[in-house]
Amino acid sequence: DAGVIQSPRHEVTEMGQEVTLRCKPISGHNSLFWYRQTMMRGLELLIYFNNNVPIDDSGMPEDRFSAKMPNASFSTLKIQPSEPRDSAVYFCASTYGRNTEAFFGQGTRLTVV
Amino acid sequence: AQSVTQPDIHITVSEGASLELRCNYSYGATPYLFWYVQSPGQGLQLLLKYFSGDTLVQGIKGFEAEFKRSQSSFNLRKPSVHWSDAAEYFCAVGSPGGATNKLIFGTGTLLAVQP
Repeated sequence: DAGVIQSPRHEVTEMGQEVTLRCKPISGHNSLFWYRQTMMRGLELLIYFNNNVPIDDSGMPEDRFSAKMPNASFSTLKIQPSEPRDSAVYFCASTYGRNTEAFFGQGTRLTVV
Repeated sequence: AQSVTQPDIHITVSEGASLELRCNYSYGATPYLFWYVQSPGQGLQLLLKYFSGDTLVQGIKGFEAEFKRSQSSFNLRKPSVHWSDAAEYFCAVGSPGGATNKLIFGTGTLLAVQP
């Protein structure tokens, strides 16, 4: 398996623009997680899905952030409108079941100018 | 609520020296515990994990960790550090009673290796 695939790897956008980050989990995995990593706050869990259903979105910072998982092989994290403070590395991770570890993608480095 | 503390933000060791990275957790029962490593510009890679059983866990790249319930700790160790071990290390805790493997991460420890 190719692992968790995220796109794009890098994104530079202007403040106010819409940004969409994409994630393809490992085939067969039934849980998907979106994390944000910054120097100030470390790794924060934004939202996670179980069997394509959002379970906990309490980490989503504001209404500007939204996430979807239309099927088992694809998820998006959207920021609209984007702000400079959203600049961070966004990671997607997937797992199967309960007694397994999370597998992480390479991340998307987002820069909002 | 569960939480993880990594008290050392930055550690420098000499190549060949031993290493111990500290991790303390807060959880009402025995949690699932993980150590991940992140190289610059890369995602997180699992080093080792503890779910139950033997409290000394062996991982990849010569790392091991010991779960100590009495100290709520899960420290990572390596007897002899290599220059390629320079990276950031994250301890994480999961909830055995949860529906999924939701992980809470510590703030990380950045390891530098001197030649």
